[in-house]
Amino acid sequence: QQQVKQSPQSLIVQKGGISIINCAYENTAFDYFPWYQQFPGKGPALLIAIRPDVSEKKEGRFTISFNKSAKQFSLHIMDSQPGDSATYFCAAVTSGSRLTFGEGTQLTVNP
Amino acid sequence: GAVVSQHPSRVICKSGTSVKIECRSLDFQATTMFWYRQFPKQSLMLMATSNEGSKATYEQGVEKDKFLINHASLTLSTLTVTSAHPEDSSFYICSVSRAGYEQYFGPGTRLTVT
Repeated sequence: QQQVKQSPQSLIVQKGGISIINCAYENTAFDYFPWYQQFPGKGPALLIAIRPDVSEKKEGRFTISFNKSAKQFSLHIMDSQPGDSATYFCAAVTSGSRLTFGEGTQLTVNP
Repeated sequence: GAVVSQHPSRVICKSGTSVKIECRSLDFQATTMFWYRQFPKQSLMLMATSNEGSKATYEQGVEKDKFLINHASLTLSTLTVTSAHPEDSSFYICSVSRAGYEQYFGPGTRLTVT
C-alpha cells in the first residue's frame, strides 16, 4: 500500500515535444506529491510539487496534473529540451516527511 | 529551498575498512535528516531517518550496526559504513526535511569498496 507506480521506465522525445510521465498510488494517506529531477552522479532536485486539493499546478514548462479519484498524477514537460534529459522520480509523502519514490523514468530529449 | 552538502563526493576504500560520510544542512537547522542508498539505474531506497539528539530509525533490512548514523547537531549528520564490503558500493544520498513535507537532497557520495 506504500508503493508508488511510475511509467514509463524510459522515454525518448524530440526537442520541442511534450514529455509525459505517469504515477499511481494506493495509500490515500499521501497528501503531498513532489517530482524530482536527477542528473547522473548528482542528488535529486525538487522540481515541482502538488497537494491533493489541487488538480493542476504549472511552473514554467512543467505541469503536474492530479486526479484524486483515480489516485493518479502526472508530469508534463512542454517544449522539451535536450537539457531536460535526466531521470525523473515521482514521490508521495505522508505527514512526517517520509518519501515514497516511484521507480524513475529516464528521459532522453533528442536535438 | 535548502542547501545540503555532502563530503566526500567520492571515496574508494578497501574491503573491511570503515568510511564516514558527512551531510550538512548549510542554511537552516534540520532536526530530521534522511539517508538513502541508490544503486545504478534504480530508485532511492530509504535507509534511515536521523533525528538530532536521538537514535536513528532504520528501515527494515538495514543493519544498524553496519550503517552507523550520528546526528549530533542541527546541521550535521554522519553515516559510517563499518567493515565495508564490495556489495556496499553504492551512491549514498542524504536529505533534510523542511516545513514537514519538502525534502532537499545533497549531491551524493559515490562509495566504491575494492
